[in-house]
Amino acid sequence: DADVTQTPRNRITKTGKRIMLECSQTKGHDRMYWYRQDPGLGLRLIYYSFDVKDINKGEISDGYSVSRQAQAKFSLSLESAIPNQTALYFCATSDPTGYNEQFFGPGTRLTVL
Amino acid sequence: AQSVAQPEDQVNVAEGNPLTVKCTYSVSGNPYLFWYVQYPNRGLQFLLKYITGDNLVKGSYGFEAEFNKSQTSFHLKKPSALVSDSALYFCAVREGRAAGNKLTFGGGTRVLVKP
Repeated sequence: DADVTQTPRNRITKTGKRIMLECSQTKGHDRMYWYRQDPGLGLRLIYYSFDVKDINKGEISDGYSVSRQAQAKFSLSLESAIPNQTALYFCATSDPTGYNEQFFGPGTRLTVL
Repeated sequence: AQSVAQPEDQVNVAEGNPLTVKCTYSVSGNPYLFWYVQYPNRGLQFLLKYITGDNLVKGSYGFEAEFNKSQTSFHLKKPSALVSDSALYFCAVREGRAAGNKLTFGGGTRVLVKP
């Protein structure tokens, strides 16, 4: 969905390196989310943010940190990447009503060697 | 805690035949239920949702889903499958506002429609 963009789309890195994944949205939504996708496990929530000053941990936040630089930007960092963080990462946005769907970016495929 | 189960890793169906993708859920409050589809190298796309009201929900690309509260199920259906429906399908549940509107996803079901 062009309304939610993620950079980079693919990244290969080595164990111990710091990595930042970026997400930008033009939908004007306050709520943003980071998920990781692993085969057979679906998508699992890493962090979510309801506005610039409200950031919350999801079910698998260990080893990750986030930054909400503006309403439109939400970055995910791996301070010291490890191989089991190899996955597909998605950013998503939603409006605050609680009734509507989330809009997903195209994903970032991260490989940690 | 809320959870979603998609009991089939893969569903194979011939083009033109009916397609069903199963989903069951567990929540403590009223469920908000969603179906998403993921095509190769793409993000998830929204198909349909159940919030309240009619148990039969119609969505994009000819898909529909039936909410069954007694069986805690929300199966996705399409009367006549197309080869282009081959993709990965995810069911998701969200509890009400008190739970922060977080989505919990099932593990996904890969659909393969053969010509």
